[in-house]
Amino acid sequence: EIVLTQSPATLSLSPGERATLSCRASQSISTYLAWYQKKPGQAPRLLIYDASNRATGIPARFSGSGSGTDFTLTISNLEPEDFAVYYCYQRTNWPSPFTFGPGTKVDVK
Amino acid sequence: QVQLVQSGAEVKESGSSVKVSCKASGVTFSSHAISWVRQAPGQGLEWVGQFTPMFGIANYAQKFQGRATITADESTNTAYMELNSLTSEDSGVYYCARDGIPTERQNFGMDVWGQGTTVIVSS
Repeated sequence: EIVLTQSPATLSLSPGERATLSCRASQSISTYLAWYQKKPGQAPRLLIYDASNRATGIPARFSGSGSGTDFTLTISNLEPEDFAVYYCYQRTNWPSPFTFGPGTKVDVK
Repeated sequence: QVQLVQSGAEVKESGSSVKVSCKASGVTFSSHAISWVRQAPGQGLEWVGQFTPMFGIANYAQKFQGRATITADESTNTAYMELNSLTSEDSGVYYCARDGIPTERQNFGMDVWGQGTTVIVSS
């Protein structure tokens, strides 16, 4: 089973700042990586699929990059509604199991 | 409008089973996969497994292998996730999500989600 590691565990920033979140896979997953946002009491929300494609309706301040084992989610200009937990997720080698990373919490500094 | 509506909250005893349903409207399962994700209290998101009606194949996370069963009834556009031998560690919110076909090079991800079903397991 592929293991995803996210860093940092917590990112304390102010609105308007840039957030850079990292996700590393235990082996190459090409670009089979997605990013999800999770807020308390809400269902997860898809932000990025296939490493760098923004999902429908996602603002341009969210961007994803990377391939192989190292990936990055960047939020260019934090809005108040962006403070949440972010998870990376891999879907490689079907029908092997897919996995989520442990999450990065972006909170208000 | 694509929507996934899940069944209501469940309270179960340790050792029993739970079966959560996920009814789709505005989309047919045959052109997608259905994934299930869990979030235990205070914990992160955990992928449980996925069913792809096109292939009739389900795959599961290692920790749920042998204990979870994911199926879909295409005639009613409803997916199910059954979990056996429940323990208190299975308490949490279970989500279903529309997913892309796993073998396709481009996959739009889990883009539509159910509202979540809370499962409480009492010991």
